[in-house]
Amino acid sequence: DAKTTQPPSMDCAEGRAANLPCNHSTISGNEYVYWYRQIHSQGPQYIIHGLKNNETNEMASLIITEDRKSSTLILPHATLRDTAVYYCIVKPYTGKLIFGQGTTLQVKP
Amino acid sequence: ETGVTQTPRHLVMGMTNKKSLKCEQHLGHNAMYWYKQSAKKPLELMFVYNFKEQTENNSVPSRFSPECPNSSHLFLHLHTLQPEDSALYLCASSLYKGAGPANTGELFFGEGSRLTVL
Repeated sequence: DAKTTQPPSMDCAEGRAANLPCNHSTISGNEYVYWYRQIHSQGPQYIIHGLKNNETNEMASLIITEDRKSSTLILPHATLRDTAVYYCIVKPYTGKLIFGQGTTLQVKP
Repeated sequence: ETGVTQTPRHLVMGMTNKKSLKCEQHLGHNAMYWYKQSAKKPLELMFVYNFKEQTENNSVPSRFSPECPNSSHLFLHLHTLQPEDSALYLCASSLYKGAGPANTGELFFGEGSRLTVL
């Protein structure tokens, strides 16, 4: 069963913020929100994760709604190298990492 | 460079061949994974090893045989494969610290082995 819903594709202009949404309305209290991305023909790369507080690292920011039913990954200044498939995954810390279809982000010059 | 190395990067084999994929991690991790990514499909988890013991087998056909001789190495032995087994096979590793929030849940992936079965 799909636990997250993401738009299949999005475009973003280079240098602008990319905001990638994810719905996870059935998230459990012990499940975290993880984001990975996969650049074409490479292995997936971890981006960020969070439980209920907003998180920021050198790659991105993660905004989780107060009811935890949705979240947004923000790439503050998208570059062409950010073109990739972005996966939103919910799981407990020790749960399996199960990938869905993700969102294909195309950053355009 | 993620610290997870997969070889070979590309492999072409006939249906009667026997070959192996190798994965090596230099991160001091104790859990290793095999994923399969077919064209236009999401990644599928195949096998999980924790501390060299297999803890997950997601109904993978027996023509795929994993081996984990130690926490740093993982193999996927292939025999009598079918053309539909052609895919990108990805290895990943993580540091498992037992149940609880000490785990970050972060997996490190290799670049993958692109397999073509003729």
